[in-house]
Amino acid sequence: GAGVSQTPSNKVTEKGKYVELRCDPISGHTALYWYRQSLGQGPEFLIYFQGTGAADDSGLPNDRFFAVRPEGSVSTLKIQRTERGDSAVYLCASSSSLYNEQFFGPGTRLTVL
Amino acid sequence: RKEVEQDPGPFNVPEGATVAFNCTYSNSASQSFFWYRQDCRKEPKLLMSVYSSGNEDGRFTAQLNRASQYISLLIRDSKLSDSATYLCVVNMGTGRYKLSFGAGTTVTVRA
Repeated sequence: GAGVSQTPSNKVTEKGKYVELRCDPISGHTALYWYRQSLGQGPEFLIYFQGTGAADDSGLPNDRFFAVRPEGSVSTLKIQRTERGDSAVYLCASSSSLYNEQFFGPGTRLTVL
Repeated sequence: RKEVEQDPGPFNVPEGATVAFNCTYSNSASQSFFWYRQDCRKEPKLLMSVYSSGNEDGRFTAQLNRASQYISLLIRDSKLSDSATYLCVVNMGTGRYKLSFGAGTTVTVRA
Protein backbone atom coordinates (compact mmCIF):
# COMPACT_ATOMS: atom_id res chain seq x y z
CA GLY A 1 0.00 0.00 0.00
CA ALA A 2 0.96 3.64 -0.21
CA GLY A 3 3.38 4.96 2.38
CA VAL A 4 3.64 8.40 3.91
CA SER A 5 3.99 11.06 1.24
CA GLN A 6 5.35 14.57 1.60
CA THR A 7 5.27 17.53 -0.73
CA PRO A 8 7.22 19.29 -1.98
CA SER A 9 10.32 17.10 -1.95
CA ASN A 10 12.49 20.21 -2.13
CA LYS A 11 11.71 23.81 -1.26
CA VAL A 12 14.05 26.75 -1.70
CA THR A 13 12.94 30.04 -0.24
CA GLU A 14 14.35 33.36 0.80
CA LYS A 15 14.86 34.53 4.34
CA GLY A 16 11.71 36.09 5.73
CA LYS A 17 9.29 34.19 3.50
CA TYR A 18 6.43 31.92 4.58
CA VAL A 19 6.41 28.21 3.67
CA GLU A 20 3.98 25.32 3.98
CA LEU A 21 5.03 21.70 3.99
CA ARG A 22 2.46 18.97 3.47
CA CYS A 23 2.25 15.44 4.83
CA ASP A 24 -0.14 12.72 3.71
CA PRO A 25 -0.03 9.86 6.24
CA ILE A 26 -0.74 6.21 5.63
CA SER A 27 -4.49 5.74 5.27
CA GLY A 28 -6.10 4.94 8.61
CA HIS A 29 -3.18 6.06 10.74
CA THR A 30 -4.49 8.25 13.54
CA ALA A 31 -1.13 9.38 14.92
CA LEU A 32 1.03 11.81 12.95
CA TYR A 33 4.42 13.26 13.86
CA TRP A 34 6.70 15.96 12.48
CA TYR A 35 10.47 15.85 12.92
CA ARG A 36 13.32 18.03 11.71
CA GLN A 37 16.67 16.59 10.69
CA SER A 38 19.72 18.82 10.28
CA LEU A 39 22.84 17.66 8.48
CA GLY A 40 24.77 15.10 10.51
CA GLN A 41 22.09 14.84 13.19
CA GLY A 42 19.25 12.50 13.96
CA PRO A 43 15.64 13.58 13.55
CA GLU A 44 14.39 15.95 16.25
CA PHE A 45 10.78 15.74 17.46
CA LEU A 46 8.61 18.76 16.68
CA ILE A 47 4.95 17.90 17.18
CA TYR A 48 2.54 14.98 17.53
CA PHE A 49 -1.11 14.79 16.47
CA GLN A 50 -3.65 12.26 17.63
CA GLY A 51 -6.58 12.72 15.28
CA THR A 52 -7.16 16.41 14.61
CA GLY A 53 -5.63 17.81 17.76
CA ALA A 54 -2.01 18.58 18.53
CA ALA A 55 -1.44 16.36 21.54
CA ASP A 56 2.14 17.53 22.07
CA ASP A 57 3.76 20.53 20.38
CA SER A 58 6.60 20.85 22.85
CA GLY A 59 9.26 20.33 20.17
CA LEU A 60 8.32 23.34 18.06
CA PRO A 61 11.34 25.65 18.33
CA ASN A 62 9.41 28.94 18.51
CA ASP A 63 6.14 30.61 17.54
CA ARG A 64 7.14 30.93 13.90
CA PHE A 65 6.34 27.22 13.57
CA PHE A 66 2.77 25.99 13.49
CA ALA A 67 1.12 22.77 12.30
CA VAL A 68 -2.46 21.77 11.60
CA ARG A 69 -4.35 18.61 10.81
CA PRO A 70 -7.94 19.84 10.32
CA GLU A 71 -9.59 16.59 9.23
CA GLY A 72 -7.41 14.12 11.04
CA SER A 73 -5.53 13.02 7.94
CA VAL A 74 -3.33 15.41 5.94
CA SER A 75 -1.15 17.74 7.98
CA THR A 76 0.56 20.99 7.07
CA LEU A 77 3.61 22.41 8.83
CA LYS A 78 3.77 26.17 8.47
CA ILE A 79 6.87 28.28 9.02
CA GLN A 80 6.61 32.06 9.11
CA ARG A 81 9.45 34.53 8.54
CA THR A 82 11.88 31.78 7.64
CA GLU A 83 15.47 32.03 8.82
CA ARG A 84 18.62 30.41 7.43
CA GLY A 85 18.76 28.22 10.53
CA ASP A 86 15.44 26.64 9.52
CA SER A 87 17.20 24.88 6.64
CA ALA A 88 16.84 21.14 7.25
CA VAL A 89 14.94 18.06 6.13
CA TYR A 90 11.44 18.04 7.59
CA LEU A 91 10.20 14.50 8.12
CA CYS A 92 6.67 13.38 8.73
CA ALA A 93 5.77 10.01 10.25
CA SER A 94 2.53 8.24 11.01
CA SER A 95 1.50 5.24 13.09
CA SER A 96 -1.69 3.26 13.54
CA SER A 97 -1.69 3.99 17.25
CA LEU A 98 0.40 5.65 19.88
CA TYR A 99 2.50 2.59 20.61
CA ASN A 100 3.03 1.25 17.13
CA GLU A 101 5.88 1.65 14.69
CA GLN A 102 6.28 5.10 13.18
CA PHE A 103 6.57 5.04 9.39
CA PHE A 104 8.46 7.96 7.91
CA GLY A 105 7.88 9.84 4.71
CA PRO A 106 10.73 10.81 2.35
CA GLY A 107 10.94 14.30 3.81
CA THR A 108 10.94 17.84 2.46
CA ARG A 109 14.38 19.41 2.10
CA LEU A 110 13.97 23.08 2.99
CA THR A 111 16.70 25.53 2.04
CA VAL A 112 16.45 29.12 3.23
CA LEU A 113 18.76 31.47 1.35
CA ARG B 1 24.02 16.57 27.52
CA LYS B 2 22.28 14.94 24.55
CA GLU B 3 19.49 12.47 25.31
CA VAL B 4 21.05 9.82 23.07
CA GLU B 5 24.73 9.64 22.20
CA GLN B 6 26.33 7.44 19.59
CA ASP B 7 29.80 6.88 18.22
CA PRO B 8 29.50 8.43 14.75
CA GLY B 9 32.01 6.02 13.19
CA PRO B 10 32.50 5.42 10.40
CA PHE B 11 32.95 1.71 10.85
CA ASN B 12 34.54 0.42 7.68
CA VAL B 13 34.43 -3.39 7.54
CA PRO B 14 34.91 -6.12 4.91
CA GLU B 15 32.04 -8.29 3.76
CA GLY B 16 31.47 -11.15 6.14
CA ALA B 17 32.87 -9.35 9.17
CA THR B 18 31.08 -8.71 12.43
CA VAL B 19 30.58 -5.12 13.52
CA ALA B 20 29.17 -3.87 16.81
CA PHE B 21 28.49 -0.46 18.28
CA ASN B 22 26.69 1.09 21.22
CA CYS B 23 24.71 4.08 22.21
CA THR B 24 24.00 5.59 25.61
CA TYR B 25 20.84 7.37 26.75
CA SER B 26 20.38 9.85 29.57
CA ASN B 27 16.75 9.43 30.66
CA SER B 28 16.40 6.54 33.11
CA ALA B 29 12.59 6.69 32.70
CA SER B 30 12.79 5.66 29.03
CA GLN B 31 10.80 2.52 28.28
CA SER B 32 11.03 1.96 24.53
CA PHE B 33 14.21 1.38 22.55
CA PHE B 34 14.80 0.92 18.85
CA TRP B 35 17.37 0.79 16.13
CA TYR B 36 16.45 2.57 12.89
CA ARG B 37 18.38 2.41 9.66
CA GLN B 38 18.80 5.42 7.38
CA ASP B 39 20.29 5.24 3.91
CA CYS B 40 21.87 8.33 2.40
CA ARG B 41 19.25 11.02 1.69
CA LYS B 42 16.42 8.62 2.56
CA GLU B 43 13.98 8.41 5.43
CA PRO B 44 14.67 6.39 8.60
CA LYS B 45 13.19 2.90 8.69
CA LEU B 46 12.70 0.71 11.73
CA LEU B 47 15.33 -2.04 11.88
CA MET B 48 14.29 -3.59 15.16
CA SER B 49 12.90 -2.92 18.59
CA VAL B 50 15.16 -3.65 21.55
CA TYR B 51 13.84 -5.69 24.44
CA SER B 52 15.20 -6.06 27.96
CA SER B 53 16.19 -9.67 27.43
CA GLY B 54 18.00 -8.89 24.18
CA ASN B 55 16.73 -10.00 20.81
CA GLU B 56 17.87 -11.22 17.43
CA ASP B 57 16.53 -10.66 13.96
CA GLY B 58 18.51 -12.71 11.48
CA ARG B 59 22.05 -11.36 11.43
CA PHE B 60 21.22 -8.50 13.79
CA THR B 61 21.38 -8.73 17.58
CA ALA B 62 20.33 -5.95 19.93
CA GLN B 63 21.04 -5.73 23.65
CA LEU B 64 19.79 -3.37 26.33
CA ASN B 65 21.57 -2.62 29.59
CA ARG B 66 19.21 -0.58 31.75
CA ALA B 67 21.62 -0.29 34.69
CA SER B 68 24.28 1.35 32.54
CA GLN B 69 21.77 2.93 30.15
CA TYR B 70 23.24 1.69 26.93
CA ILE B 71 22.00 -0.19 23.90
CA SER B 72 24.09 -2.19 21.47
CA LEU B 73 23.68 -3.48 17.94
CA LEU B 74 25.74 -6.30 16.46
CA ILE B 75 25.71 -7.21 12.79
CA ARG B 76 27.07 -10.62 11.85
CA ASP B 77 28.22 -11.70 8.39
CA SER B 78 28.04 -8.13 7.04
CA LYS B 79 26.65 -7.60 3.55
CA LEU B 80 27.31 -4.71 1.19
CA SER B 81 23.65 -3.81 1.62
CA ASP B 82 24.19 -3.23 5.35
CA SER B 83 26.05 0.00 4.52
CA ALA B 84 23.94 2.71 6.11
CA THR B 85 23.64 4.98 9.13
CA TYR B 86 22.17 3.27 12.18
CA LEU B 87 20.15 5.50 14.48
CA CYS B 88 19.70 4.64 18.13
CA VAL B 89 16.23 5.71 19.26
CA VAL B 90 14.77 6.02 22.74
CA ASN B 91 11.43 7.36 23.89
CA MET B 92 11.63 10.50 25.98
CA GLY B 93 10.50 9.40 29.39
CA THR B 94 6.82 8.68 29.86
CA GLY B 95 5.75 9.88 26.39
CA ARG B 96 6.13 6.66 24.45
CA TYR B 97 5.39 8.38 21.15
CA LYS B 98 8.06 11.01 21.68
CA LEU B 99 11.22 9.59 20.20
CA SER B 100 14.72 10.90 20.71
CA PHE B 101 17.20 9.97 18.01
CA GLY B 102 20.95 9.71 18.23
CA ALA B 103 23.02 11.31 15.50
CA GLY B 104 23.74 7.89 14.01
CA THR B 105 26.61 5.48 13.49
CA THR B 106 27.78 5.10 9.91
CA VAL B 107 28.72 1.61 8.73
CA THR B 108 30.37 0.97 5.39
CA VAL B 109 30.80 -2.62 4.24
CA ARG B 110 33.40 -3.06 1.51
CA ALA B 111 33.77 -5.90 -0.97
